[in-house]
Amino acid sequence: SYELTQPPSVSVSPGQTASITCSGDKLGEKYASWYQQKPGQSPVLVIHEDRKRPSGIPERFSGSNSGNTATLTISGTQAMDEADYYCQALGSSTVIFGGGTRLTVL
Amino acid sequence: QVQLRESGPGLVKPSETLSLTCTVSGDSIITYYWSWIRQPPGKGLEWVGYIPYSGSTNYNPSLEGRVTMSIDTSKNQFSLKLRSVTAADTAVYYCAREILYGNGCHFDSWGQGTLVTVSS
Repeated sequence: SYELTQPPSVSVSPGQTASITCSGDKLGEKYASWYQQKPGQSPVLVIHEDRKRPSGIPERFSGSNSGNTATLTISGTQAMDEADYYCQALGSSTVIFGGGTRLTVL
Repeated sequence: QVQLRESGPGLVKPSETLSLTCTVSGDSIITYYWSWIRQPPGKGLEWVGYIPYSGSTNYNPSLEGRVTMSIDTSKNQFSLKLRSVTAADTAVYYCAREILYGNGCHFDSWGQGTLVTVSS
């Protein structure tokens, strides 16, 4: 079955750039999406179709996808960006989520 | 703007059936696909399945045989039934709108989630 692998945790200093990776076999041939989830809240879509930002998502969130890795990049990270982030793609006919990455803004 | 709200019992006994309903407002349920996603306490997200208005379902193979989804276009609702539950089915269950396309999909609107605990 298809799997997506994320690092369990990433740390970043305020104002710096955070990069969260998501790895899967030939992931670049699929579309990747990213969700932000803060404690006690529902996930929020921040990137879809590799690099598209939904309305209302700050420009500091960007995405890319090539080869076996999709990357979520947060430029000028703010304290409010501290959250869990999940990547997601479509397997053969099944929706797959990565295990999630806890982003800590130190 | 579309809004989704889950409803159903918060406690289910082992071996019984979990039943949840999602009420959609602000959009017609005859468009898009509608999904259930769950999250065990302290763990990650797991897709349960989707249903379009046509009723042609697609379920997570790991739950195949235990899950049934249905849709009621007259009430703008869709539902989830999960049979023979165990403690491993304890989770926050979210309903979400799924945008499905060529070789991808995403979930652009989510309900607030409802915690279902399986315990005697």
